[in-house]
Amino acid sequence: DQQVKQNSPSLSVQEGRISILNCDYTNSMFDYFLWYKKYPAEGPTFLISISSIKDKNEDGRFTVFLNKSAKHLSLHIVPSQPGDSAVYFCAGFQNSGGSNYKLTFGKGTLLTVNP
Amino acid sequence: EPEVTQTPSHQVTQMGQEVILRCVPISNHLYFYWYRQILGQKVEFLVSFYNNEISEKSEIFDDQFSVERPDGSNFTLKIRSTKLEDSAMYFCASSKDRGRAFFGQGTRLTVV
Repeated sequence: DQQVKQNSPSLSVQEGRISILNCDYTNSMFDYFLWYKKYPAEGPTFLISISSIKDKNEDGRFTVFLNKSAKHLSLHIVPSQPGDSAVYFCAGFQNSGGSNYKLTFGKGTLLTVNP
Repeated sequence: EPEVTQTPSHQVTQMGQEVILRCVPISNHLYFYWYRQILGQKVEFLVSFYNNEISEKSEIFDDQFSVERPDGSNFTLKIRSTKLEDSAMYFCASSKDRGRAFFGQGTRLTVV
């Protein structure tokens, strides 16, 4: 049951251009969405999040857009830098009450930024 | 910045052997998790732990798996009798508030 889908396994962009990473979800009960970045041999690191009641959140070069009616979110990186090359995971979080705050991850998109 | 630390970074074990993966979560965090990533696949939730008990576990987390917080700082994942398909990167994570989990560097478990 793929509640979070990242349909593009890879994306290649030129340095300085915009990178757009896409994510679709099926669970309409997600309260938050998060983007994590992962370098090889490292754990995922938090990048940016968005509440389900917002449609945009911006942090420096990173902006996340949420379209609830389409159950779609995207991460924009502009301008892209070679150091951004990594696997990007989209994750949904549902506060089901109690003490569980598990994340449901997509399969990830490998971003390569070419100098 | 405080971080989650995991040991060992790589563990090789024979099928059927028990392994214990260790984690030291961030000190003021209250929620602890184990995730795993089989090579080429997505990061999958295994278990969440709060107030000294499991709050949720996935279908993957069967009777062969257990978690423990033995001394108030360490958080361990034990696999009693490893199988070949347990080979994966295992990530420990902790969080203080909703959603934003901090991950360790991972332990690569190789079952031969």
